[in-house]
Amino acid sequence: ELKVEQNPLFLSMQEGKNYTIYCNYSTTSDRLYWYRQDPGKSLESLFVLLSNGAVKQEGRLMASLDTKARLSTLHITAAVHDLSATYFCAVSPAGSARQLTFGSGTQLTVLP
Amino acid sequence: NAGVTQTPKFRVLKTGQSMTLLCAQDMNHEYMYWYRQDPGMGLRLIHYSVGEGTTAKGEVPDGYNVSRLKKQNFLLGLESAAPSQTSVYFCASSRTASDEAFFGQGTRLTVV
Repeated sequence: ELKVEQNPLFLSMQEGKNYTIYCNYSTTSDRLYWYRQDPGKSLESLFVLLSNGAVKQEGRLMASLDTKARLSTLHITAAVHDLSATYFCAVSPAGSARQLTFGSGTQLTVLP
Repeated sequence: NAGVTQTPKFRVLKTGQSMTLLCAQDMNHEYMYWYRQDPGMGLRLIHYSVGEGTTAKGEVPDGYNVSRLKKQNFLLGLESAAPSQTSVYFCASSRTASDEAFFGQGTRLTVV
């Protein structure tokens, strides 16, 4: 059974600071996804990481994937209030016909 | 752009009642999915479809049925609702198994 663990589950940070969210998973996979969810809203796709060593950046967010370590990171640079949301990683096992397993989410609050 | 549309947005059911949630996508995607989201947890896959006329079980299929008679629509049925099915339900679609999934706005279901 694939397990996906995110940490931290809750994160409060000051504006302007940097931080990293971690996503560990338990079985072989070469596909990892990051999503953002605002309270009461749907999920918005942030990044799709499809190979070992993949790095993608959008604005103040940068995601990377290390399939050997079964680890993805979402790095936040110089946080701003608009980044406050819940961030989910999701993993699909290698060879799967598409059964994403989601982490529990990291609830990020950026304080002024 | 409509994207993925779910109806209804909110519903309250009595235990034992039945209902159908409708998901429609206008992106000509092959893959469609139904997830449920419970507080403090990530999304869990209920059922999915890899094309018109096909369905498959996900992680938590018990108590639900699905149908995909048309490519653009994916229906989720609850035959006899139980309080444990109180949740927020999300439909999603993707072009291929590797592509990012696009999510609907969610249906908040309460079973009393």
